Amino acid sequence: AQSVTQLDSQVPVFEEAPVELRCNYSSSVSVYLFWYVQYPNQGLQLLLKYLSGSTLVESINGFEAEFNKSQTSFHLRKPSVHISDTAEYFCVLASGNTPLVFGKGTRLSVIA
Amino acid sequence: KAGVTQTPRYLIKTRGQQVTLSCSPISGHRSVSWYQQTPGQGLQFLFEYFSETQRNKGNFPGRFSGRQFSNSRSEMNVSTLELGDSALYLCASSPGRILNTEAFFGQGTRLTVV
Repeated sequence: AQSVTQLDSQVPVFEEAPVELRCNYSSSVSVYLFWYVQYPNQGLQLLLKYLSGSTLVESINGFEAEFNKSQTSFHLRKPSVHISDTAEYFCVLASGNTPLVFGKGTRLSVIA
Repeated sequence: KAGVTQTPRYLIKTRGQQVTLSCSPISGHRSVSWYQQTPGQGLQFLFEYFSETQRNKGNFPGRFSGRQFSNSRSEMNVSTLELGDSALYLCASSPGRILNTEAFFGQGTRLTVV
């Protein structure tokens, strides 16, 4: 069975500080990995995705994630956060013809 | 291009009633999936439809059902509502099966059962 574990349910961080949201996955087959962001009372929006190729993927708003097969991880990082980054972040796994597997989410709170 | 549209945005129902939620995918998308989001359980998969056929079903009781129409619009129905059915119901669409493609989510329907 496949699973996604987000190691922190809540992460408070001061504005302009760096942040890392941790994600580990378990799967016996090849996977695609995604990070989605959910703002209050909104649906989920794709932040970035790893399909193949370069293990470091970036989003347009400064986030990046690195696929590490040996560590089975896909941690999300940003060197300097803004108040507007306050949201819930979901690590998601796709594989084969099975439904998407979601982590429990990490609530990022940016403090002014 | 219009996004995924879910209606209604908010619903309040009484225990024992039934409810129908609607999802209009992005034009040209043939896959629609439904998810239930609650604070305790997170996001749980309900169904996936592709070209009017249910391709996958999550671990929910038979009170939860769905369908997809020829124009790819989808509905889900919950009968005999229980308090525990209170949740945000999210619909996602994608051009093909949701594998290595992006899933586009609607804003959700927040269902409150009283």
